[in-house]
Amino acid sequence: EVQLLESGGGLVQPGGSLRLSCAASGFIFSNFAMNWFRQGPGKGLEWVSTIGGTGSTTYYADSVRGRFTISRDNSKNTLYLQMSNLRDDDTAIYYCANSIGTGYWGQGTLVTVSS
Amino acid sequence: AIQMTQSPFSLSASVGDRVTITCRASQGIGNDLSWYQKKPGKAPKLLIYVASSLQSGVPSRFSGSGSGTDFTLTISSLQPEDFATYYCLQHYNYPYTFGQGTKLDIK
Repeated sequence: EVQLLESGGGLVQPGGSLRLSCAASGFIFSNFAMNWFRQGPGKGLEWVSTIGGTGSTTYYADSVRGRFTISRDNSKNTLYLQMSNLRDDDTAIYYCANSIGTGYWGQGTLVTVSS
Repeated sequence: AIQMTQSPFSLSASVGDRVTITCRASQGIGNDLSWYQKKPGKAPKLLIYVASSLQSGVPSRFSGSGSGTDFTLTISSLQPEDFATYYCLQHYNYPYTFGQGTKLDIK
């Protein structure tokens, strides 16, 4: 059974940093690109970032480029999102997801940016 | 970035109704489009991928069609559990972009 379990969310002050993790199981992790999405309060879904299976290719939304870094450790079957210089509008539930079309998403972790 | 224009923004319907939601891409995206159902407190659920393929386990009352720039999601006979918000997602190129969402509620 495929499982994706996010962790690392919490309350952080504007300008602060946070690292999200997504522990994957039930599939050959290194074979799949992985994604981060988010949904802010009262807002729609937003794609954040994608990383290829080997970790050598990464893509970012303009809203997070230069502040967020996606990475993965295939030996640990874990996906990461390092978030820095956080802003109020980064407040959201963050979801990790397998490749588009597989339909596998985690349950999300809440990030709240507030002073 | 490719813009996805989804309509309607909201929709009131009754159990048993047939409903259609549309997404229009600002440029051609082939069939690289997925449809998701989102309920509060739950992760998005994939309904349709590559425009018209039904995800495993999703009821057959859901269907998708279209290619290029115009796409539709149809629910043939609404069930109580279908009242939710629906989103289209283009993954033709980066940045991936969602439609604005369609909130489907009970009339």
